[in-house]
Amino acid sequence: DAKTTQPNSMESNEEEPVHLPCNHSTISGTDYIHWYRQLPSQGPEYVIHGLTSNVNNRMASLAIAEDRKSSTLILHRATLRDAAVYYCILRDVRGNEKLTFGTGTRLTIIP
Amino acid sequence: DSGVTQTPKHLITATGQRVTLRCSPRSGDLSVYWYQQSLDQGLQFLIQYYNGEERAKGNILERFSAQQFPDLHSELNLSSLELGDSALYFCASSRGGVHQETQYFGPGTRLLVL
Repeated sequence: DAKTTQPNSMESNEEEPVHLPCNHSTISGTDYIHWYRQLPSQGPEYVIHGLTSNVNNRMASLAIAEDRKSSTLILHRATLRDAAVYYCILRDVRGNEKLTFGTGTRLTIIP
Repeated sequence: DSGVTQTPKHLITATGQRVTLRCSPRSGDLSVYWYQQSLDQGLQFLIQYYNGEERAKGNILERFSAQQFPDLHSELNLSSLELGDSALYFCASSRGGVHQETQYFGPGTRLLVL
């Protein structure tokens, strides 16, 4: 499985945008980039996913580099409820459906 | 609320014992996944069932087994428990049969082996 690298932790002020980076230099052409997050004392939840083009949904935006070796999850206006561990996951369209979690980025929101 | 339910929420037991964790997927979901989250190993995929059949296996120990019943609920059986089996166990579900689909996670069962 292709590997992802994320910073262990980040801090951001409330109501400001947050950019969470992910490096995946060994990504293959059949890997989709998924983001999940895990709020304290809860199970992980889906945030967003994409293949090549930037993606937006009600929770966040995903910016994918042109060479696809990195991506950035963007929370446009962080709230205290966004404090969580964010996981960047590669899922190969040819592989099975499991999610392979790395260590993720622990995001702290400062009020 | 993801729509996935897990019981019990907490479980305390002794080494050598056997426990059963239960998961009810979202209505209409055919795939069920089990994951283990421990402090040293992080979140790890254990096993997947699709419509009653085992579909994929991960780092699941031989002491652990799972099954999915005709009503699509699933059970994870852990036997000959060791201290190192203490962890959070999550169940997730998805519609099944479509790649890249979202997995919806339950609230987890926290297992403590003493």
